[in-house]
This record gives sequence, structure tokens and C-alpha cells, in this order.
Amino acid sequence: QVVESGGGLVQPGGSLRLSCAASGFRFNIYSMYWIRQAPGKGLEWVSNIRDSGSSMYYADSVKGRFTISGDNAKNSLYLQMNSLRAEDTAVYYCVRDINFSFDIWGQGTMVTVSS
Amino acid sequence: QSALTQPRSVSGSPGQSVTFSCTGTSSDVGGYNYVSWYQQHPGKAPKLVIYDVNKRPSGVPDRFSGSKSGNTASLTISGLQAEDEADYYCCSFAGGYSWVFGGGTKLTVL
Repeated sequence: QVVESGGGLVQPGGSLRLSCAASGFRFNIYSMYWIRQAPGKGLEWVSNIRDSGSSMYYADSVKGRFTISGDNAKNSLYLQMNSLRAEDTAVYYCVRDINFSFDIWGQGTMVTVSS
Repeated sequence: QSALTQPRSVSGSPGQSVTFSCTGTSSDVGGYNYVSWYQQHPGKAPKLVIYDVNKRPSGVPDRFSGSKSGNTASLTISGLQAEDEADYYCCSFAGGYSWVFGGGTKLTVL
């Protein structure tokens, strides 16, 4: 399973770091993702890191502002979010990729960007 | 990275079959056999119900099936049950390790 933490209320332009603790599987042999869902809206791929952190990818909407990283020793995934905007308000899910589909989802952590 | 197109809502009576459509482009749905479908009940995380266009994960009833033709993928639920009422999202690999989701379809079981 995966468990997210670190969400909260932040002002526009602020920063937040999300964490995701994985258990029951070896984190470093899977690609891991952050996928978000704005209130009442659909799902949006945000970022992903390939096994062992060899490569990172970002949606255009967050490129240059968000940074994904992983700590294999702690079996954990992170998302550093800078220059936050109102449109970043969403539930952020930590998700495991199993061959181009997403089989394990966390319960999500809510990020609210508002003054 | 434009979202895939899904109808906003679909409805059906218990025991009936319903089909959800998911329309993309040759750069995503039409270009790869990496279409997946997710079921999401209110307040819950999404759950994988179909992957690789037409494969079912362990534990998903065989009432759920998937297909694809050109740039449009489809999810069919046969023998509709009350617990199937949920939102359903399609997702496709879009190349370059990017992904695109549909806007979701709300299923109402009458």
C-alpha cells in the first residue's frame, strides 16, 4: 500500500512538499506517479519517476514548478511543489505503475492554494 | 496533452449492459494499446478495472470488459449491479512517458 502526507493550506506562490510512504513492495523496481484530482473534476497526471529514479517526467502544467524524487532506502516518494497557484488545488494521489496502468493508489492528500 | 473525451453520464437498470466511450487521437488511444479504466466511488481513490485495453486485474468481475477501435476505447459493464454506480475514467499512454485521462463518466444505476 501507499500512504500520502504533507497536504494542507498554502498561499498562492508558496511551497509544499508531499510525501508518500510505500509498504509491501520494493519501491525501487516500479515507476511511481503523482496524479491529482481537483474538487469535482477528473484525474490529471502530474509527474512520474522511473524505477530507481533514473528519469523524471512532468505535465506541462507543473513543469518548472514541481520536482519529483524518491528515496529507495526509505521506500518513499516525494513531490516538492513551488510557486503554487489556485489551479493546483486538488487531492494528490501517490500511485504505482504496473506495466502502463495504475494498480495501487493511496487515499490522497488534499492541497488547497488560497489566500 | 488534451484530455480524452468521455460522455458526462450514462445510466442503466440492474441486469442491463452499459458501454462507456473514450475518444482520443492517434497520439494516445489510437497509437498505443495502453488504455486503462478506473472506477471511483465518492470519496474514494480510483480502482483499476481494465488495463492494456481489454485485460482485467485479478478480482475484477468478468462483467467488466474493454475494447478499442481506432482512436476510441470502450468499457462495457454487463449484468449491471447497484454497486457499479460510480465515476469511470479512461486513461491512455500518450508517448514520452506522459499520460492523459478522460474527464470521467458518471454511471447511474436506475
